[in-house]
Amino acid sequence: QQQVKQSPQSLIVQKGGISIINCAYENTAFDYFPWYQQFPGKGPALLIAIRPDVSEKKEGRFTISFNKSAKQFSLHIMDSQPGDSATYFCAASKNFGNEKLTFGTGTRLTIIP
Amino acid sequence: DSGVTQTPKHLITATGQRVTLRCSPRSGDLSVYWYQQSLDQGLQFLIQYYNGEERAKGNILERFSAQQFPDLHSELNLSSLELGDSALYFCASSVEPNYGYTFGSGTRLTVV
Repeated sequence: QQQVKQSPQSLIVQKGGISIINCAYENTAFDYFPWYQQFPGKGPALLIAIRPDVSEKKEGRFTISFNKSAKQFSLHIMDSQPGDSATYFCAASKNFGNEKLTFGTGTRLTIIP
Repeated sequence: DSGVTQTPKHLITATGQRVTLRCSPRSGDLSVYWYQQSLDQGLQFLIQYYNGEERAKGNILERFSAQQFPDLHSELNLSSLELGDSALYFCASSVEPNYGYTFGSGTRLTVV
């Protein structure tokens, strides 16, 4: 049973554009929603995370938007750069991140010049 | 360098064999998590240890086992290996309470 659905599977964005990746979850007990970035040959690295008591969190060019009623959250990458080309995973956890992470299936992002 | 060390980086072995993957968590991290990443299944949680005790179990096969030692390093043992066990195996560690894990670079296991 996939509890976190992620889309799109792949995304191509022009340099300087906005990259948007969406996730939806089913389990209302989830209370911690991180995004991970993974480069080839490396482990996933935490990019940004949000808790459901806020609707938006911004760190530099990365923003998470969270819609609790719709059980959806999304990652926006502003001014996308070629160095942002990677696979992005959304995830969800209970107990404020102290339990296992349930991951989405990943989005392969390619930023073209 | 994330601070989480996994060895070996690559492992090629035959079906039916047994292997051990090792993970050293970041200094001070008490929790260790093991994940399996395959092309068709994505990142799947296997098992969590906290300060030497098993804390949570995911979709871990009976052929797989793990433990966390007093120095907090962890080992994942995979036995009676099958072709379908070929995957990347990641270890992550965290401090409790924590708002994020730190992943190692993984061990790529190829079963031939």
